[in-house]
Amino acid sequence: IAGITQAPTSQILAAGRRMTLRCTQDMRHNAMYWYRQDLGLGLRLIHYSNTAGTTGKGEVPDGYSVSRANTDDFPLTLASAVPSQTSVYFCASSDLPSMGGYTFGSGTRLTVV
Amino acid sequence: AQSVTQLDSQVPVFEEAPVELRCNYSSSVSVYLFWYVQYPNQGLQLLLKYLSGSTLVKGINGFEAEFNKSQTSFHLRKPSVHISDTAEYFCAVTPDNYGQNFVFGPGTRLSVLP
Repeated sequence: IAGITQAPTSQILAAGRRMTLRCTQDMRHNAMYWYRQDLGLGLRLIHYSNTAGTTGKGEVPDGYSVSRANTDDFPLTLASAVPSQTSVYFCASSDLPSMGGYTFGSGTRLTVV
Repeated sequence: AQSVTQLDSQVPVFEEAPVELRCNYSSSVSVYLFWYVQYPNQGLQLLLKYLSGSTLVKGINGFEAEFNKSQTSFHLRKPSVHISDTAEYFCAVTPDNYGQNFVFGPGTRLSVLP
C-alpha cells in the first residue's frame, strides 16, 4: 500500500541524546515535510524539502536538522534532545504544487526526559 | 502572513445530530482553504478543499464546507454525525500551493456521543 512509513512509532529519549526519526515515502512525491504536533498549537512546520538535494526551514527549525539525499527518504535529526522537543512528529509528502494533497505518516511520539 | 482560528477546541454532539466546526482566517492575500481530519493515533487526511469556483464544497464522509470571503470563514458542516466521526479536525490555509506555506489551525476535537 502506497504511503509514508515513519519509525519509530514511539520513543523515550534521555535529554542530550541524539535521535533520528525516519521517514520513507513510496509515492515519488517531490516534496516532503516534517511537522510537530502539540496540544492546542496544531501542526507546526519544522523543515521541508521541495526536491531531492534541497531543504528549507519552517516555523520551528531550531534544534532540528534534515537531509534529502534521494526522493524517498527524509530523516529528521535531533542533535541534542531537550524536554521541549517532546511532541508527536509527523512526516508528510506531496506533489508540487501540492493542491492540498498531503499524505501524512502515522507519526512518531517522542518523549524527552 | 496568514493565521487560522478555530474557536471551539472541543465540540460534543449526539449521534445523528448536525454539527458545525468553525474556522476563521486572516490574510492580506487570497488563500486556498482546507479541512483535514485526524483519527486517533493516525496522521491527517484531507477532508475537502476550496481552491476556486463554487463556495460550497463537498468532501468525503458527508462533510461540506462553505467559503465566505466577506467573513473570512470556512466552516465545516455535517447534517448527521456518526460515532465514527469522532476525531480531531484541522482547518488550514495557504496563499499558494507550496506546502511550506500552509498554516494549520489549532484543531477542534469532535466527540460524537451515543
